[in-house]
Amino acid sequence: IAGITQAPTSQILAAGRRMTLRCTQDMRHNAMYWYRQDLGLGLRLIHYSNTAGTTGKGEVPDGYSVSRANTDDFPLTLASAVPSQTSVYFCASSDSWGAGTDTQYFGPGTRLTVL
Amino acid sequence: QKEVEQDPGPLSVPEGAIVSLNCTYSNSAFQYFMWYRQYSRKGPELLMYTYSSGNKEDGRFTAQVDKSSKYISLFIRDSQPSDSATYLCAMKETSGSRLTFGEGTQLTVNP
Repeated sequence: IAGITQAPTSQILAAGRRMTLRCTQDMRHNAMYWYRQDLGLGLRLIHYSNTAGTTGKGEVPDGYSVSRANTDDFPLTLASAVPSQTSVYFCASSDSWGAGTDTQYFGPGTRLTVL
Repeated sequence: QKEVEQDPGPLSVPEGAIVSLNCTYSNSAFQYFMWYRQYSRKGPELLMYTYSSGNKEDGRFTAQVDKSSKYISLFIRDSQPSDSATYLCAMKETSGSRLTFGEGTQLTVNP
């Protein structure tokens, strides 16, 4: 069982370019999340999805969009990348949305540099 | 002011030492408290999970929550070089699933 896979592992991107970060989970979890991790700021939630077909905004959603066409996949798109989006991006999933005891499982991350 | 404050370290200790990692928070609605461990260039993984106040022990690890002081701790006994990682505290309210993370404390255990 792979858990959560993310692609690409790392990417250097020119400012203004469009980029989609891919995330796939094989645990049949209902909820999925995208975080960015920055030095001094920790992990911050970008977008989330309660279940397939629904998405919601997190703490720092501006400049990012997501879709959840099915249970397994949750891509994150940067429509026009800016240098402040340079970060490490983590996808996560959990079995149930709203329950206090749900555990979030994280992918290995994508290191994105926007020049 | 951040909702969750965590000393970023870095913290360096000799093998066998007792390590204390701490977080403070301001949101009194937080009910669920977690510690995640993150090895270099990897995703975080859940280490400990505590509901409300009290202690929870798992092997060499003890999580402690003091809601009256809005303070949580993770203790590592007999620390090992394999414990070298960044430790992130995280917490959430009773409703909804949004986790709020501390910025993480980088720990190095020297052989």
